[in-house]
Amino acid sequence: EPEVTQTPSHQVTQMGQEVILRCVPISNHLYFYWYRQILGQKVEFLVSFYNNEISEKSEIFDDQFSVERPDGSNFTLKIRSTKLEDSAMYFCASRTGTNQPQHFGDGTRLSIL
Amino acid sequence: TQLLEQSPQFLSIQEGENLTVYCNSSSVFSSLQWYRQEPGEGPVLLVTVVTGGEVKKLKRLTFQFGDARKDSSLHITAAQPGDTGLYLCAGVDPGTTSGTYKYIFGTGTRLKVLA
Repeated sequence: EPEVTQTPSHQVTQMGQEVILRCVPISNHLYFYWYRQILGQKVEFLVSFYNNEISEKSEIFDDQFSVERPDGSNFTLKIRSTKLEDSAMYFCASRTGTNQPQHFGDGTRLSIL
Repeated sequence: TQLLEQSPQFLSIQEGENLTVYCNSSSVFSSLQWYRQEPGEGPVLLVTVVTGGEVKKLKRLTFQFGDARKDSSLHITAAQPGDTGLYLCAGVDPGTTSGTYKYIFGTGTRLKVLA
C-alpha cells in the first residue's frame, strides 16, 4: 500500500541553524500538510498546500517557516532559524481530494540543542 | 479554532474489558476521523464518520457519530494488549475557508491494555 515517507527520522540541530524536513507524499495525492506534535501534547496543524501554494497556515507557521514542492514528488518544510521550542515531532500528510482522509508519514523527530 | 475534547485522557484496563472513548465539541463537523498513534509513528487512520447517527464497525471497534455531528465515540469490545496506543479524533476545522481543509485534532486518549 502506498505510504507517505519522511526523512530524516531524527534530526538534531543547533539553535539558530536552518533545518529542512523532507516528505514524499503518496503519488496521486493533491493536498499536502505539515503538523507538529510537541512531546506529550496534541497534534497541531501548521500548514496546508495545494496547487503549488499555501492554502492555510496556523499562527505557529510564522516567517521562520516555509514550505516548498521543488519537484513532482517532494514536499519540504524549512525552519530558517531554529529555536529550542521548535523541538517536536513533525508529521507530513497528504490526501487525494474532497472528503478523503489524510494519510500520515511516521514523522521526523526534531531536536534543537 | 474550535476544540475537540477527548475523554478520558488516560485509560488503563485489563485485557478482555470493554471501554468507550469520547470526542466532543460545541461545533458541528462535516465528518470526523479516528486515528491510532503508536510511539514514534504517525497517526494511522481507523475510520471516517460522515453522517449524523452513523455507526461503523471495525472488528472489535465500534465508532458512532452523534446525531448533531458534534460528538463521536469509539467503543472497544474485549480489549487486547495490541489495542494499546493513543487514540485521536480529528475533523475539518469548521472555520476553514479554503477547500484544502485545515484539520484539528482532539486532545487524545492514551489507552493501555494490560495482559
